[in-house]
Amino acid sequence: DGGITQSPKYLFRKEGQNVTLSCEQNLNHDAMYWYRQDPGQGLRLIYYSQIVNDFQKGDIAEGYSVSREKKESFPLTVTSAQKNPTAFYLCASSKTLTGELFFGEGSRLTVL
Amino acid sequence: AQSVAQPEDQVNVAEGNPLTVKCTYSVSGNPYLFWYVQYPNRGLQFLLKYITGDNLVKGSYGFEAEFNKSQTSFHLKKPSALVSDSALYFCAVRDGGATNKLIFGTGTLLAVQP
Repeated sequence: DGGITQSPKYLFRKEGQNVTLSCEQNLNHDAMYWYRQDPGQGLRLIYYSQIVNDFQKGDIAEGYSVSREKKESFPLTVTSAQKNPTAFYLCASSKTLTGELFFGEGSRLTVL
Repeated sequence: AQSVAQPEDQVNVAEGNPLTVKCTYSVSGNPYLFWYVQYPNRGLQFLLKYITGDNLVKGSYGFEAEFNKSQTSFHLKKPSALVSDSALYFCAVRDGGATNKLIFGTGTLLAVQP
């Protein structure tokens, strides 16, 4: 079945360590997105990519990095520069500019 | 700048009663509006969208939403609530003319009592 796969679902890391969250889609969508979800704050856009080898910062990009070397993959690295990385991270994709987003099941990162 | 507001953190309704989850938006161009639902520790699922056309949009699981341009609102409705509808609901808006970003509201927790 087509969809978006995020891994790992749960991740624990120590402060100061970089962490990479995987996001893979087999929907043949051009656009991909990373959102961060915190209780009471909704979803905030970290990075998005409209096409391979191109991506733009969202509203809270500081402390994060991404790459888009393949259409199917959009990994997110949470660096040690991110001051409060503990959160639920959601990856999404869309086929068109006006189309709905399809979401993965999320990755919950806890920094100890 | 585009924005979306969900004024209620939580909505409580009895099973079988109609439900409404409110959403208002602000964009500079024509709005593209969406509703999503999220169950605990899961990703978001798409319910419905308004791009253009009829102001009443029908979506998944018996939900519908009414686009009101004069009130800049896009409230989610369902004629008869089910306990299984209990979840977190998000409204989102994309400014069709200015940006490709989809901006989400803070979410409304719907609790349906049996």
